[in-house]
Amino acid sequence: SQQGEEDPQALSIQEGENATMNCSYKTSINNLQWYRQNSGRGLVHLILIRSNEREKHSGRLRVTLDTSKKSSSLLITASRAADTASYFCATALYNTDKLIFGTGTRLQVFP
Amino acid sequence: DAGVIQSPRHEVTEMGQEVTLRCKPISGHDYLFWYRQTMMRGLELLIYFNNNVPIDDSGMPEDRFSAKMPNASFSTLKIQPSEPRDSAVYFCASRGQGRGYTFGSGTRLTVV
Repeated sequence: SQQGEEDPQALSIQEGENATMNCSYKTSINNLQWYRQNSGRGLVHLILIRSNEREKHSGRLRVTLDTSKKSSSLLITASRAADTASYFCATALYNTDKLIFGTGTRLQVFP
Repeated sequence: DAGVIQSPRHEVTEMGQEVTLRCKPISGHDYLFWYRQTMMRGLELLIYFNNNVPIDDSGMPEDRFSAKMPNASFSTLKIQPSEPRDSAVYFCASRGQGRGYTFGSGTRLTVV
């Protein structure tokens, strides 16, 4: 069963704009991770935020985590056409090693 | 580092045949995961291993599915007999301590 629901399901923006994707989950977690998947390819790990962290940055990526609301957001600043992909949040369930993926957001960045 | 290596990349088989998917994790990673991805169900965790021992196989859909990890550098996922509804992309991923997962390129399975 899906642990995470992502919003929006699809997002289209112009190059240079910012893209924000949201993720909600249901149960307690050890950490939350974001992955990118290009069409027909495997998933690539982008960033991991632990349950005791609230915000994390990596290059043009900014992730926030609100454990009280069981939600996270991924912000991609100054988007590029190469950012076109599907983005998934994944939750590492508390006290287990299971990583459960959300439904994903399809991002299209137009040049 | 060659990453997680899966084989074959594509597999087309007839219903009822046995299918074996293979995975070589990153050296030193002590966790290995098998996922299945379909349009309808998204990414599903099938089974995972820690230090070659199966820890949780609750995601394995039926007894037709089995997975083994005979050593730290090799794992297989077997479907016997295969059915058309098993058609999906199967991913293997490995993980070291406190890190994100590294995924293989996947095996696209088509059962006709």
